[in-house]
Amino acid sequence: DGGITQSPKYLFRKEGQNVTLSCEQNLNHDAMYWYRQDPGQGLRLIYYSQIVNDFQKGDIAEGYSVSREKKESFPLTVTSAQKNPTAFYLCASSIARSGTSGITDTQYFGPGTRLTVL
Amino acid sequence: KQEVTQIPAALSVPEGENLVLNCSFTDSAIYNLQWFRQDPGKGLTSLLLIQSSQREQTSGRLNASLDKSSGRSTLYIAASQPGDSATYLCAVTRRRETSGSRLTFGEGTQLTVNP
Repeated sequence: DGGITQSPKYLFRKEGQNVTLSCEQNLNHDAMYWYRQDPGQGLRLIYYSQIVNDFQKGDIAEGYSVSREKKESFPLTVTSAQKNPTAFYLCASSIARSGTSGITDTQYFGPGTRLTVL
Repeated sequence: KQEVTQIPAALSVPEGENLVLNCSFTDSAIYNLQWFRQDPGKGLTSLLLIQSSQREQTSGRLNASLDKSSGRSTLYIAASQPGDSATYLCAVTRRRETSGSRLTFGEGTQLTVNP
């Protein structure tokens, strides 16, 4: 079964702790993304990676870090510098491909991790 | 800076009704627009993707239109069912990357279809 997995589903963090959220995909996608969603709001881009060993900041990268050592994996670390980390975190991946109707870039999402600061 | 707005924020309709969800964006220089569905506490499922050169896409009871010049898209749901109850999000791709795309999301419309 191809897809994107995120773990854990729920995560609790104490003040001052760093925590790492896992995202794995077996879709052979080049691009991967991390989003944050707050209640009643849309998604905001934290970081994204287009190829292995390369990543770029999104709109709200402060207090977060990522790595992309393997094509299948794109872990996100929420550091103690992130002042308001309680949120729902979503990982996604996509591949650019040419079809008869042109290039498509649908993003496929994982089930999410809900992070709560205690 | 691209901004995406969805109206209404919430919508409640009786089963069987046809309905329209609206999405507007401030910068018409988009690459494509996507509509997603999100169930409570879950990830997003892509429903329809419209390239900037297209005017509409259809999938089953769903039809999405795009008017790039006016910065608007609509998602039409025919013969709504209780199983359609979810939050619907639209997102635009701001520019074409070498691989992948950066999306700007609206805040979503929370739809409830009552039996």
